[in-house]
Amino acid sequence: QKEVEQNSGPLSVPEGAIASLNCTYSDRGSQSFFWYRQYSGKSPELIMFIYSNGDKEDGRFTAQLNKASQYVSLLIRDSQPSDSATYLCAVNMQEYGNNRLAFGKGNQVVVIP
Amino acid sequence: SQTIHQWPATLVQPVGSPLSLECTVEGTSNPNLYWYRQAAGRGLQLLFYSVGIGQISSEVPQNLSASRPQDRQFILSSKKLLLSDSGFYLCAWSLRFGEAFFGQGTRLTVV
Repeated sequence: QKEVEQNSGPLSVPEGAIASLNCTYSDRGSQSFFWYRQYSGKSPELIMFIYSNGDKEDGRFTAQLNKASQYVSLLIRDSQPSDSATYLCAVNMQEYGNNRLAFGKGNQVVVIP
Repeated sequence: SQTIHQWPATLVQPVGSPLSLECTVEGTSNPNLYWYRQAAGRGLQLLFYSVGIGQISSEVPQNLSASRPQDRQFILSSKKLLLSDSGFYLCAWSLRFGEAFFGQGTRLTVV
């Protein structure tokens, strides 16, 4: 199993709709989970982090974490054209006493005006 | 505040030439440092990470190497570039359990 998996293909959503992105991870010891947004040709930027089970809301973004199922999701409400980007899930992995971030391959979101 | 500097922004190099990309971090101590590569239309591939001076972990076998000569300096090198080394190279830093912060990236084209 890959460390961090984001399996969905490109996601097209109409403006104003909800975009839903999913991510699973393999390390049961992971404690920190992050969502990044990456515009084409730019470096990733952090948009959400979550450490505890449940939901965390920040503006139009909601991150959901279920450690028992090893599952993290991101909801984007009232999607805007400016939300069109690739969204990367990242998980803090613990290896041999060291911590490092592992990223999924990302999901492209296209918001259609 | 913490900042990360990565240069150059773009680079065109011939096949077989050497490579040296440098990344420095300011405003923090003993960070984890990372080098990632992103091929066109692909996800982030972790190349190297470091948890301290002189400590380098390699994720994939390749003709690249990394060094950390100082606490906040991370260097990516190659003795002979291949066409397949083209891509977007990103340096990042993080604290032990925290998020990663990325540099601006270097777009490398090997011709």
